[in-house]
Amino acid sequence: QLQLQESGSRLLRPSQTLSLTCAVSGGSISSGAYSWSWIRQPPGKGLEWIGYIYHSGYIYHSGNNYYNPSLKSRVTMSEDRARNHFSLKLTSVTAADTAMYYCARVDGDGGWVDYWGQGTLVTVSS
Amino acid sequence: EIVLTQSPGTLSLSPGERATLSCRASQSVTSTYVAWYQQKPGQGPRLLIYGAVNRATGIPDRFSGSGSGTDFTLTISRLDPEDFAVYFCQHFGSTPGLTFGGGTKVEIK
Repeated sequence: QLQLQESGSRLLRPSQTLSLTCAVSGGSISSGAYSWSWIRQPPGKGLEWIGYIYHSGYIYHSGNNYYNPSLKSRVTMSEDRARNHFSLKLTSVTAADTAMYYCARVDGDGGWVDYWGQGTLVTVSS
Repeated sequence: EIVLTQSPGTLSLSPGERATLSCRASQSVTSTYVAWYQQKPGQGPRLLIYGAVNRATGIPDRFSGSGSGTDFTLTISRLDPEDFAVYFCQHFGSTPGLTFGGGTKVEIK
């Protein structure tokens, strides 16, 4: 059974950098059939896709990472295949970045999210 | 950029009743790339339906998805007490990638 577990900074000051890691067990992030994503949800609100790292199989995109255009200037995602985890960095955070952050696996054919982490709440406050 | 609009915002029903949730896309989309999720308080979302009509593993058959083009529907044939939750639709496309609807809350009447 695939499991994803988020870890990282949970309380930040405005202008700091958010850093989260998603540890994956029960499957390899090197699989070409899936992509690995970050999705966030502000308290009481809906879901917002941040970006994903993808491998071969996607037809829409070029390059290895793809980010939500609204966040692209502040987001960097990376992966460590040896440790089977992937990471998110979001720079210059503000209170608007306060949210539950989920890491997730995205199906390579249809783009649905079939596995989610339990989520980690990140709060930005002065 | 595709925008997904879900309606109604809140659906008040009793256990045993039928729930019909709507997801409308701002332009025609390929149904292969439409999914539905359930989220309960304090939990992450759970995949219910993928490819607009296919139930995910372990999802009861009282959940069904339908639709094409711009209009998609999630139907819960007979509400079980555990079905009261928030439901999101989602589309996968080239820009921006994954798009979610605003959600429909199904609450006990």
